[in-house]
Amino acid sequence: NAGVTQTPKFQVLKTGQSMTLQCAQDMNHEYMSWYRQDPGMGLRLIHYSVGAGITDQGEVPNGYNVSRSTTEDFPLRLLSAAPSQTSVYFCASSPAGTANTGELFFGEGSRLTVL
Amino acid sequence: GENVEQHPSTLSVQEGDSAVIKCTYSDSASNYFPWYKQELGKRPQLIIDIRSNVGEKKDQRIAVTLNKTAKHFSLHITETQPEDSAVYFCAASLTTDSWGKFQFGAGTQVVVTP
Repeated sequence: NAGVTQTPKFQVLKTGQSMTLQCAQDMNHEYMSWYRQDPGMGLRLIHYSVGAGITDQGEVPNGYNVSRSTTEDFPLRLLSAAPSQTSVYFCASSPAGTANTGELFFGEGSRLTVL
Repeated sequence: GENVEQHPSTLSVQEGDSAVIKCTYSDSASNYFPWYKQELGKRPQLIIDIRSNVGEKKDQRIAVTLNKTAKHFSLHITETQPEDSAVYFCAASLTTDSWGKFQFGAGTQVVVTP
């Protein structure tokens, strides 16, 4: 299993541009989420999904959209990038039901810089 | 909502000494408290966790304690080694079935000097 795969690993955008951070997992996990990591602020939840077709907002959802059309994929869209969205983004997944131990399985992260 | 505070923000220890990181949480409904270790440029990885029905859990050189009444939990690393140098995050679950919706602390940079 590849686990959780994020692309791209690095991206530089100009203010106002749009882009999509891709996240895919091959562990058949129902739960997927996006976090952003900023210095001194830990990991903050952007959006999460409990299954295909179901998404909800986390702590810092403004400026980001998500969709979950399949169990495997959970892309994060920036519609109009702003410098405040410069951050490292982590996608994470976990199984549902009795297989859930609470552990989050993180991707390697995507470093985004908005100029 | 849940609020998790983590202290200290940086911690320098001599190799072989112990390190203690403390976290407090605000939501009494939280029932699952994991600790993640993140090495420089890497993804966070779970190192130990504790549930609200347990007061202490140990795994070799690391242990976690939980005080539900006071709403705080701590990570203890004994006999520290240079490979323990990393950023450590505590977290608390915002839902009773801990399905990936967590509030994280701000992190503690641990530096172990030989």
